[in-house]
Amino acid sequence: NAGVTQTPKFQVLKTGQSMTLQCAQDMNHEYMSWYRQDPGMGLRLIHYSVGAGITDQGEVPNGYNVSRSTTEDFPLRLLSAAPSQTSVYFCASRLGTSGNYEQYFGPGTRLTVT
Amino acid sequence: QQQVKQSPQSLIVQKGGIPIINCAYENTAFDYFPWYQQFPGKGPALLIAIRPDVSEKKEGRFTISFNKSAKQFSLHIMDSQPGDSATYFCAASIGGTSYGKLTFGQGTILTVHP
Repeated sequence: NAGVTQTPKFQVLKTGQSMTLQCAQDMNHEYMSWYRQDPGMGLRLIHYSVGAGITDQGEVPNGYNVSRSTTEDFPLRLLSAAPSQTSVYFCASRLGTSGNYEQYFGPGTRLTVT
Repeated sequence: QQQVKQSPQSLIVQKGGIPIINCAYENTAFDYFPWYQQFPGKGPALLIAIRPDVSEKKEGRFTISFNKSAKQFSLHIMDSQPGDSATYFCAASIGGTSYGKLTFGQGTILTVHP
């Protein structure tokens, strides 16, 4: 298994540009989520999904959209990038939607918005 | 509002020392407390986790101490090694219908000198 994969690894955007961060997992996990990591703030939940076709907002959803058409993929879209979205983005997945299953994190995408 | 507060922000110890990282939480509904280890350029990986029905859990050189009445928990690393140098995050989540959404502390950068 490749686990959780993310592309691209690095990205530089200009303010106002749009882009999609890709996330895929091959573990047949129901639950997938996106976090952003900023210095001194830990990781904060952006959006999550409990299965194909079902998504919901996390702690910091503004400026981001998600969809989940398949179990494997959970892309994160930035519609109009802003400098405040400069961060490292992590996708994570876990087997179940309830109970305390381990979450597996991808390697991250480092995004810079100028 | 930071529901999980982590300290210290950074920590330097000599090889063989016992670094201790502390976390405090506010939400008494949290029922799962994992610690994550993150190396530079990588995603966080689960290190050890505890539930509030036990006061201590040990896995190898890593120990979690949990104080439910004080709403605090801590990570101890016995006989620390240079390879333990990493960023450590505590987290908390509510199981059941909250789908295990993780609330992270701010992170502690640990450096172990040879």
